[in-house]
Amino acid sequence: EPEVTQTPSHQVTQMGQEVILRCVPISNHLYFYWYRQILGQKVEFLVSFYNNEISEKSEIFDDQFSVERPDGSNFTLKIRSTKLEDSAMYFCASSETRTGKTNYGYTFGSGTRLTVV
Amino acid sequence: DQQVKQNSPSLSVQEGRISILNCDYTNSMFDYFLWYKKYPAEGPTFLISISSIKDKNEDGRFTVFLNKSAKHLSLHIVPSQPGDSAVYFCAAIPSNFGNEKLTFGTGTRLTIIP
Repeated sequence: EPEVTQTPSHQVTQMGQEVILRCVPISNHLYFYWYRQILGQKVEFLVSFYNNEISEKSEIFDDQFSVERPDGSNFTLKIRSTKLEDSAMYFCASSETRTGKTNYGYTFGSGTRLTVV
Repeated sequence: DQQVKQNSPSLSVQEGRISILNCDYTNSMFDYFLWYKKYPAEGPTFLISISSIKDKNEDGRFTVFLNKSAKHLSLHIVPSQPGDSAVYFCAAIPSNFGNEKLTFGTGTRLTIIP
C-alpha cells in the first residue's frame, strides 16, 4: 500500500536554529499538507500546497515557516528560527484530490517529533 | 475555536462488544466528515468517511452515522477487538471552495479490554 514517508522520525534542535522536516508524498498525489500536534492537543492544520505554491495557510504558519517541493518527490517544511513552542509532532499528508472528500481521505505520514531545547 | 468536539477523552469497552465514539460540530459549512485512528508514534490512519448527503456509511466492522440536524456524528465499531485500542479523531472538511483543510477534534482514547 502506498505511504507517505517522513524523515527524520525525531529531531532535537536548539532554540533559534533552523530545521527542515522532510516528506515524500504518495507519487500520484498532487496536494500536500503539513499538520502538527502539540502534546496533549488536537491535530492542527498548518499549510496546504499545490502546483508549487501555497494554497492555504493557518495563522500558525507565520514568516518563520516555509514549504518547498525542491524536486519531483520531496516536500519540505522549514522552520527558520525555532522556538520552544514549536515542539510538536509534525505530520505530512497528501491527497489525490483537492478536497480529500474521497473514500480514502488524506494519507498521513508517521510524523516527525520535533523537540526544541 | 472548537468547531469539532469530542467530549469523551477516553472510553473502555469489553472485547466483542460495540464501541460508540461521538463527535459534535458547530460549523454548518462542514459537508464531509472523516474518522482517523492513531497509534502512538504513528500518523493518523484513515478509517471511514461520510458525506453530508448521507446519514450512514458502513465498511466492515465500522459504521459512521451522521445526524445533520443535531450536528452530530458517531462511529460504531462492532465487534470491538484488542487491535482497535487507539486514539480516534473525528475530522471535518467545509464545503467552500478554497478552504478544504481538515479540522480535527481532540480525540477519544479507546481501550478494548480483553
